[in-house]
Amino acid sequence: DAGITQSPRHKVTETGTPVTLRCHQTENHRYMYWYRQDPGHGLRLIHYSYGVKDTDKGEVSDGYSVSRSKTEDFLLTLESATSSQTSVYFCAISAGGGGEQFFGPGTRLTVL
Amino acid sequence: AQSVTQLGSHVSVSEGALVLLRCNYSSSVPPYLFWYVQYPNQGLQLLLKYTSAATLVKGINGFEAEFKKSETSFHLTKPSAHMSDAAEYFCAVKEGGGADGLTFGKGTHLIIQP
Repeated sequence: DAGITQSPRHKVTETGTPVTLRCHQTENHRYMYWYRQDPGHGLRLIHYSYGVKDTDKGEVSDGYSVSRSKTEDFLLTLESATSSQTSVYFCAISAGGGGEQFFGPGTRLTVL
Repeated sequence: AQSVTQLGSHVSVSEGALVLLRCNYSSSVPPYLFWYVQYPNQGLQLLLKYTSAATLVKGINGFEAEFKKSETSFHLTKPSAHMSDAAEYFCAVKEGGGADGLTFGKGTHLIIQP
């Protein structure tokens, strides 16, 4: 299995609070991604990174920000969580080119 | 813009029967195509990928998929279903070799009847 960990694995929070999810890789891959998974929608890209301090928006980036200060870590922040952000969040990594992405175990976030 | 359509949110087959999960894509450039499987409460695992080397792609667990450019399809098949194949299956497309993420279909839940 690719060396990808996500923390926390489960989190319950209240509307309006800030939340940070962490993705950590041990593969030294250049590219990292955050997706959210919702029933009936499959997985949708939130943000991605193509190097340290290099990030870009995905399909559903509103309400989210990201940071990557080290190759191995990619943080996803919800500045002020809303109930619509209740979801399962997956981190993925890739070596690039046409290569596949490897996924972490996911974080289940519930916003009350 | 790229997109993926998976026909059938749920597919039910008997154990030992043929599995066929349908995927159609749209892409403005030759795509990279993937099938992933997700077991309950787990992340996604790559089944197979198409990267233009061969149109018939063999993957893990006896699955294979055929790329048909004229039909813009990448259907997933397995000759004989096992109970352990019950899971959610996702088709995904990527345009080009850059940093862009994958575009996923909405998924097909495969049910195996004993």
